[in-house]
Amino acid sequence: GAGVSQSPRYKVAKRGQDVALRCDPISGHVSLFWYQQALGQGPEFLTYFQNEAQLDKSGLPSDRFFAERPEGSVSTLKIQRTQQEDSAVYLCASSLELAGGYNEQFFGPGTRLTVL
Amino acid sequence: AQKVTQAQTEISVVEKEDVTLDCVYETRDTTYYLFWYKQPPSGELVFLIRRNSFDEQNEISGRYSWNFQKSTSSFNFTITASQVVDSAVYFCALSEIDTGGFKTIFGAGTRLFVKA
Repeated sequence: GAGVSQSPRYKVAKRGQDVALRCDPISGHVSLFWYQQALGQGPEFLTYFQNEAQLDKSGLPSDRFFAERPEGSVSTLKIQRTQQEDSAVYLCASSLELAGGYNEQFFGPGTRLTVL
Repeated sequence: AQKVTQAQTEISVVEKEDVTLDCVYETRDTTYYLFWYKQPPSGELVFLIRRNSFDEQNEISGRYSWNFQKSTSSFNFTITASQVVDSAVYFCALSEIDTGGFKTIFGAGTRLFVKA
């Protein structure tokens, strides 16, 4: 497709369940970002990939959060043992160039996670 | 620490009014980038503009204009002759080159309502 796609668009999980959120960036985009957006707030940085290398994971809130991009294209954000405070919209963004967050980012529609 | 403040939570205007969205940032870096993104009701953030810290020239793009002033650490966004389609949440963001790693820091956003 032409843009960044994310799946599923909506996910409801029971507290304690593991979830996996998928991001398909724009083809050829080197940089990939994950953000968490709570209701009424701006996106908060979680992690950054340059191709398959995870160069910055300083925003991951706990060791329950894990992200990977094994072949430098599709990325998965996994949350283990979900808790209610994990409820948010998870946004993926990609960028054509190498330089981290310095360039225009193209965002996907997000996955809205609700933990009951 | 880096920070982006958008003091206006919500603004409501009538179509054809001009409106200015304020953004104040904090950084210790001398080299950084500032951004504005638009998040319409559909949810996908859309890039509007990027400015680097060495370029204080104001920019105009159609009905949009941006005023960057390093002296006051502000990067304000003005929409001239607003239209209903401008209704969205607007985010100001900061990426630091020297110390920021690969992250982009977003403000909390300003929700703009444009009434017909």
